[in-house]
Amino acid sequence: DAGVTQSPTHLIKTRGQHVTLRCSPISGHKSVSWYQQVLGQGPQFIFQYYEKEERGRGNFPDRFSARQFPNYSSELNVNALLLGDSALYLCASSTLPPGQGRNNEQFFGPGTRLTVL
Amino acid sequence: AQSVAQPEDQVNVAEGNPLTVKCTYSVSGNPYLFWYVQYPNRGLQFLLKYITGDNLVKGSYGFEAEFNKSQTSFHLKKPSALVSDSALYFCAVRDEGGGSYIPTFGRGTSLIVHP
Repeated sequence: DAGVTQSPTHLIKTRGQHVTLRCSPISGHKSVSWYQQVLGQGPQFIFQYYEKEERGRGNFPDRFSARQFPNYSSELNVNALLLGDSALYLCASSTLPPGQGRNNEQFFGPGTRLTVL
Repeated sequence: AQSVAQPEDQVNVAEGNPLTVKCTYSVSGNPYLFWYVQYPNRGLQFLLKYITGDNLVKGSYGFEAEFNKSQTSFHLKKPSALVSDSALYFCAVRDEGGGSYIPTFGRGTSLIVHP
């Protein structure tokens, strides 16, 4: 069975540019969450979507936005890139939104490594 | 607010020896606790979780974790380490007492198992 997939695997951008990262959840999963993992740190929550609606937003600037499509795939967009946006961006899917159900684990994708020069 | 501390950046252990990766947490309500492992160029893989019940939780690949409410700890353990266990380990907590439903992750601990 296919797990969570993310594209692209790696990406190099320059400051001020825009980037779009993509995520396809596990089949049957309706919830997608995005995390930013800076080198040497744990993942930091950015967004969570369920059934195409935003259910949660972390402490990130408005340059970060996301959306979820009818097939439950998701995009994370970052505008006006800064050097500090360089990180591994992780997507996770689950059957229910985080916080619902005791056996509602999140399954993570391999991530997209973004480098901003 | 909820938080997680992994006090060791790196843990070194010889193959065949027992291993412990430490985690302490802080939540205002009841904790849901998780351990994940991350191999190079891979996403996080779920190892185990504590929700309620027995304080000793068994998970994947022979790992287990002990929940200690009085010490607010959830240390990851394995009786006999393998070289293939070498990876980055993350502890995470979620507050089920009316707090955020979003998990907070620790900084991670690099486990190195020497042959």
